[in-house]
Amino acid sequence: IAGITQAPTSQILAAGRRMTLRCTQDMRHNAMYWYRQDLGLGLRLIHYSNTAGTTGKGEVPDGYSVSRANTDDFPLTLASAVPSQTSVYFCASSDQGTSGNNEQFFGPGTRLTVL
Amino acid sequence: GQNIDQPTEMTATEGAIVQINCTYQTSGFNGLFWYQQHAGEAPTFLSYNVLDGLEEKGRFSSFLSRSKGYSYLLLKELQMKDSASYLCAVRDWDYQLIWGAGTKLIIKP
Repeated sequence: IAGITQAPTSQILAAGRRMTLRCTQDMRHNAMYWYRQDLGLGLRLIHYSNTAGTTGKGEVPDGYSVSRANTDDFPLTLASAVPSQTSVYFCASSDQGTSGNNEQFFGPGTRLTVL
Repeated sequence: GQNIDQPTEMTATEGAIVQINCTYQTSGFNGLFWYQQHAGEAPTFLSYNVLDGLEEKGRFSSFLSRSKGYSYLLLKELQMKDSASYLCAVRDWDYQLIWGAGTKLIIKP
């Protein structure tokens, strides 16, 4: 693995179904993020984790949950999918600090369609 | 409230120069980022400004004025591969990024 991987690449899901989007990074970054990207809108933060064992809510957390059992993995779960959750989902990671760049590195994205 | 504004779309000619503006109003400021995103791909980091002034990196430069809540990304010697969306993001008081909707740049031969 080099960088961040996400799975699946794309998925069509029936409304009401449960779905977990997977994200794994091998850069030993302590911070990880989940965003959704919709046409005409900026990236919107769903949930984040500053370090393993902790998570926080972003701008649009409703209907989503996350866990961070270790440094590398940060899965995003939709408990009961709804059509408004149709979007492209990006996972990202960065070093967490209060100085310097700490740019975010992005995974390739998961395109999710909820019917 | 939090707000980041960028033009929705710009068109430029191959070999020319283009400036993409970004204005922001956020509750805090801990740096401004520019990312490039090709259609169907992930955003990739271009530049970071935390102090006023110009940061130059090859054909790309980024400028910041904190007092005006303003930044621009300058692309020189445009190439067809520069056709992409350019995303402006501000790192807020809690070190989370707030993103603009992006500027789609179309390069014509």
